Amino acid sequence: DTGVSQDPRHKITKRGQNVTFRCDPISEHNRLYWYRQTLGQGPEFLTYFQNEAQLEKSRLLSDRFSAERPKGSFSTLEIQRTEQGDSAMYLCASSSTYRRGGRTDTQYFGPGTRLTVL
Amino acid sequence: GQQLNQSPQSMFIQEGEDVSMNCTSSSIFNTWLWYKQDPGEGPVLLIALYKAGELTSNGRLTAQFGITRKDSFLNISASIPSDVGIYFCAGLGSSNTGKLIFGQGTTLQVKP
Repeated sequence: DTGVSQDPRHKITKRGQNVTFRCDPISEHNRLYWYRQTLGQGPEFLTYFQNEAQLEKSRLLSDRFSAERPKGSFSTLEIQRTEQGDSAMYLCASSSTYRRGGRTDTQYFGPGTRLTVL
Repeated sequence: GQQLNQSPQSMFIQEGEDVSMNCTSSSIFNTWLWYKQDPGEGPVLLIALYKAGELTSNGRLTAQFGITRKDSFLNISASIPSDVGIYFCAGLGSSNTGKLIFGQGTTLQVKP
C-alpha cells in the first residue's frame, strides 16, 4: 500500500505565472484534502473532496485558487497569477469513509510541494 | 474560530531524557492526532486518539485525549537523536468536516 504522493516536490515560478500541483491519495481513500503551510506554522486547511465532490472550502482559498478531483482519484490544485505571498508548502492528505480503508477522521499526508514565487 | 495552543514552542534536551508537550483549545474536539514533521517533508502520523480519556502508546510515545475533550498531551520517553523534528497536534471537530486544526508545533532538539 503506497502512501500519498505529490508532484512536483519543488516548484519555482515567477510572479504572475500559473502553477498546477498533483496529488494521488492512498488507494481506497475517497477523501482528499489540501493544506498550505508557511514557515514556522502548522498546516492550514484549504479544501477537501469526498469522491468527486468538493465539500468544504476555506476562506484562504481565494478566487485565484482552484482544486479539482474529476474522477474521484487524483486531485489537482491550480494557482493562477501567482503572488509572492503564495510561497509555501502545499500539502495533500487523504482518508477513507469506508471501514476497510480506515477511519474518516484520520488523515495521512503526502510529502508536499514546496512553491517558491520569485 | 477554533485555535489550538501548543506548548512548549521548542525544547532542547539531552539524549535519554523524557519529553512532554501538550495542546489546549477553547473548543471541543472529537479526534486528536499527533504528527511529526521533518524539514522539507510532510507530517507523519504518530498517534491518533478518538475517545475522551483515551491513553494510547506507540513504542516510546504515549498520548492522551483529555477528559474535557479540549486538550491532549504527548510524551516521548528515553529520547534519541532521531526524535529531532517538529511535533504538531491537530484536532478535528467532527467527521462531517475535513478541517484539521493544527497547533503551532513544538520543535525538539536532542543533544547526543
